[in-house]
Amino acid sequence: EPEVTQTPSHQVTQMGQEVILRCVPISNHLYFYWYRQILGQKVEFLVSFYNNEISEKSEIFDDQFSVERPDGSNFTLKIRSTKLEDSAMYFCASSVQGSTGELFFGEGSRLTVL
Amino acid sequence: GQQVMQIPQYQHVQEGEDFTTYCNSSTTLSNIQWYKQRPGGHPVFLIQLVKSGEVKKQKRLTFQFGEAKKNSSLHITATQTTDVGTYFCAGRSDNDMRFGAGTRLTVKP
Repeated sequence: EPEVTQTPSHQVTQMGQEVILRCVPISNHLYFYWYRQILGQKVEFLVSFYNNEISEKSEIFDDQFSVERPDGSNFTLKIRSTKLEDSAMYFCASSVQGSTGELFFGEGSRLTVL
Repeated sequence: GQQVMQIPQYQHVQEGEDFTTYCNSSTTLSNIQWYKQRPGGHPVFLIQLVKSGEVKKQKRLTFQFGEAKKNSSLHITATQTTDVGTYFCAGRSDNDMRFGAGTRLTVKP
């Protein structure tokens, strides 16, 4: 069964460092998302991406964050200068349809900022 | 912006008891989805509701979408230990989907 894959599964970084989280969405999906979940808390929307551009972003997704799809398969989330409060599980998701499709989530990348 | 509230935050039940979680949105939704996240896992899609007043069933799970398309509920009949996890509603409005805070269900055998 096709699945969304994410790397790395766990990354530990120093505050102020740049981090890139990678995702390979399901191949025929057109809509891509990043969510984050601080330990034990809700799943928070960060950004949605369609047709090589951001379609929606939340208030969390500030100038420190960026996304891109560099090669038609990978979908990356970059955090430019990490802060302690960026420590969370980051989930990538993809869907076939944007407005009605179910989201398929990856296993997540756990980011720990020291 | 759109907000989705979900209650209760936690629910602990004896195996065999029923369980219900409720979602309310601050805005009218185009659809609502429900996800289950097992401890240490990722959210997994359960169902989507689109129509006003819609009711869908999956075995012991019953999902409802309110007439105004601003609230929804998930009811589990006769819980089992395999039902443990966090249940999230996710409401779609415009281009983004916002998750509720989730209800963490624990089931005592």
